[in-house]
Amino acid sequence: ETGVTQTPRHLVMGMTNKKSLKCEQHLGHNAMYWYKQSAKKPLELMFVYSLEERVENNSVPSRFSPECPNSSHLFLHLHTLQPEDSALYLCASSQERGGPDTQYFGPGTRLTVL
Amino acid sequence: GQNIDQPTEMTATEGAIVQINCTYQTSGFNGLFWYQQHAGEAPTFLSYNVLDGLEEKGRFSSFLSRSKGYSYLLLKELQMKDSASYLCAVLDSNYQLIWGAGTKLIIKP
Repeated sequence: ETGVTQTPRHLVMGMTNKKSLKCEQHLGHNAMYWYKQSAKKPLELMFVYSLEERVENNSVPSRFSPECPNSSHLFLHLHTLQPEDSALYLCASSQERGGPDTQYFGPGTRLTVL
Repeated sequence: GQNIDQPTEMTATEGAIVQINCTYQTSGFNGLFWYQQHAGEAPTFLSYNVLDGLEEKGRFSSFLSRSKGYSYLLLKELQMKDSASYLCAVLDSNYQLIWGAGTKLIIKP
């Protein structure tokens, strides 16, 4: 399998649930990203990992918790979410962070919080 | 603050040409990207410009003017499959990508 994959593709959860989003990249990249995409708004960068170390956390609420166990896998753990957290969550990777490297995106997880 | 502006939506006819504009105000500049995103799918890379001028890649071309803070994406010989959102993003002085909200392009037969 090639590129960047994400599971699940769709997720519906209640505000009291706990769930996790998974991302896997097969490109040998060293940097991985979580983005939130809401309708008609710019992509919002949530977290950046470089060589498994979190290097950026853009004031994201603590109900979102990232985990990067190795350079190929990235998780986003979700708990006690709010309806306004409903959005498309995109994972991306690039060769390195901090350079003009192209980011490659996964297909996203469409999250609905009831 | 940092800002990327692009039209929300555009409509064009199959076989025609369309130009999608992007203007930016960022702290520093290390290049500008265009991505294509079909509904429900991943954004995919189209082009990267860091020097002024026009870069042509098949039916798609991207232009950059750094002095004007301006870029455009030109799509020729439009096909129905070109219906998608087109995202403009600028790498700022910290090599952080600043994204526009995207332009939804609708192609009509």
